[in-house]
Amino acid sequence: GDSVTQMEGPVTLSEEAFLTINCTYTATGYPSLFWYVQYPGEGLQLLLKATKADDKGSNKGFEATYRKETTSFHLEKGSVQVSDSAVYFCALSEWGAQKLVFGQGTRLTINP
Amino acid sequence: GAGVSQTPSNKVTEKGKYVELRCDPISGHTALYWYRQSLGQGPEFLIYFQGTGAADDSGLPNDRFFAVRPEGSVSTLKIQRTERGDSAVYLCASSLGGAGSDTQYFGPGTRLTVL
Repeated sequence: GDSVTQMEGPVTLSEEAFLTINCTYTATGYPSLFWYVQYPGEGLQLLLKATKADDKGSNKGFEATYRKETTSFHLEKGSVQVSDSAVYFCALSEWGAQKLVFGQGTRLTINP
Repeated sequence: GAGVSQTPSNKVTEKGKYVELRCDPISGHTALYWYRQSLGQGPEFLIYFQGTGAADDSGLPNDRFFAVRPEGSVSTLKIQRTERGDSAVYLCASSLGGAGSDTQYFGPGTRLTVL
C-alpha cells in the first residue's frame, strides 16, 4: 500500500541555519503531496502542497518540489527561525482517493 | 471564520466503557475525515464522509468503532467496549470537496485515555 517515510528526528539547528527534512513516498498512482506542521499546543495545519510532478509548493519561506523520478518531496528552508520549532509531517493523497497517508513526523527545534 | 471544533478536548474512561467523540466541521465543507494519532506517530486514517454517507471506512480497526454524520455536518465517532490500546488523540478534519488534492483542515483533537 501507499506509504511515506520521513527522516528521523529530532532535528536541532541554530537560528539562520539551512533546513532539509527528507521525505520519500511509495504510491501506485499519481498522488498529491503535502507538508503539514504542528506547532506546540496547536493543531495540524497545512504548510504547503504540490499536486503533480515537478510542481513546487512554497509557504512561509519553506519549499518542496515534487520529484516523481526519485519519489521524493523534501522540505527546505534557507534560514530557519526559533518560531519554526514544531513537528513536521509529510503526507500523500492518492489520486482518486481522499484519505491522507502520513509519515511519522520530524520534530524540529531551533535554538537562538 | 470558525475552524473545525472537537469536543471534548480530553476524555478519560475506563476499560470496557462506551465513548462518543464529536466533530463540528467548517461550515459548507462536504467532506469530513477522522484520524487517530498515537504518541510519536503520524495520524492514521479511520473514516471519510462525503455528505451523510461514509464513502471510505477502510481505516476503522474493528467493529467496536463506528461513526455517523446524519445531517451532513456534525459527526460523532463512537467506540464501544474501549480498550487501553484505543488511547490516542482522535483528529477530525474537513475539506470543501472530496478531491484528494483538497486541503484538509484539522481540529485540535480529542485526547482519549482508557484506564
